[in-house]
Amino acid sequence: GEDVEQSLFLSVREGDSSVINCTYTDSSSTYLYWYKQEPGAGLQLLTYIFSNMDMKQDQRLTVLLNKKDKHLSLRIADTQTGDSAIYFCAESGNTDKLIFGTGTRLQVFP
Amino acid sequence: DTAVSQTPKYLVTQMGNDKSIKCEQNLGHDTMYWYKQDSKKFLKIMFSYNNKELIINETVPNRFSPKSPDKAHLNLHINSLELGDSAVYFCASNSRFYEQYFGPGTRLTVT
Repeated sequence: GEDVEQSLFLSVREGDSSVINCTYTDSSSTYLYWYKQEPGAGLQLLTYIFSNMDMKQDQRLTVLLNKKDKHLSLRIADTQTGDSAIYFCAESGNTDKLIFGTGTRLQVFP
Repeated sequence: DTAVSQTPKYLVTQMGNDKSIKCEQNLGHDTMYWYKQDSKKFLKIMFSYNNKELIINETVPNRFSPKSPDKAHLNLHINSLELGDSAVYFCASNSRFYEQYFGPGTRLTVT
């Protein structure tokens, strides 16, 4: 079945870059996503990448996709305290059903 | 302007009760969803509706019954609540499947 894995925690200093990693098993994934969840809030779509791309950049965010290894990463440049949140990787195949990863809690310290 | 709204935000109830959570979206989207997030933050889809028609029904106890009176609303009714139903329930909607918008969540606590 489909499975999406992430490391649980990441701690970085303010101003450094953060890299959050994700691996997935579904080879028919069409879109891969990164969502952000702040405490007590819903999920906010940060960015997504189509499976035939290997990189997408959007301001401070860079998404890298290695389809061969089924590995997705999110790099946040110049990480700020406001970036502290849980980050979810998700994938969808030929339907609109999203399969979410376990979430990575990013903590940014001054 | 609220895009996807849910009521109530918090719901505390006793085991065995029946409760409903309401969801409304003002984005004009055709597809709406319910997700469950457990205490470990694991998020899993429960249902999806497209234009009032059930599309996805994951392995969810039949005590959970979604109802879509129109394409802007998708309510979730839960019968005979159990302790294990305690979670945060998120509603979401989209028009293009790569852009799902989530509501703020309803935290359900069953005592």
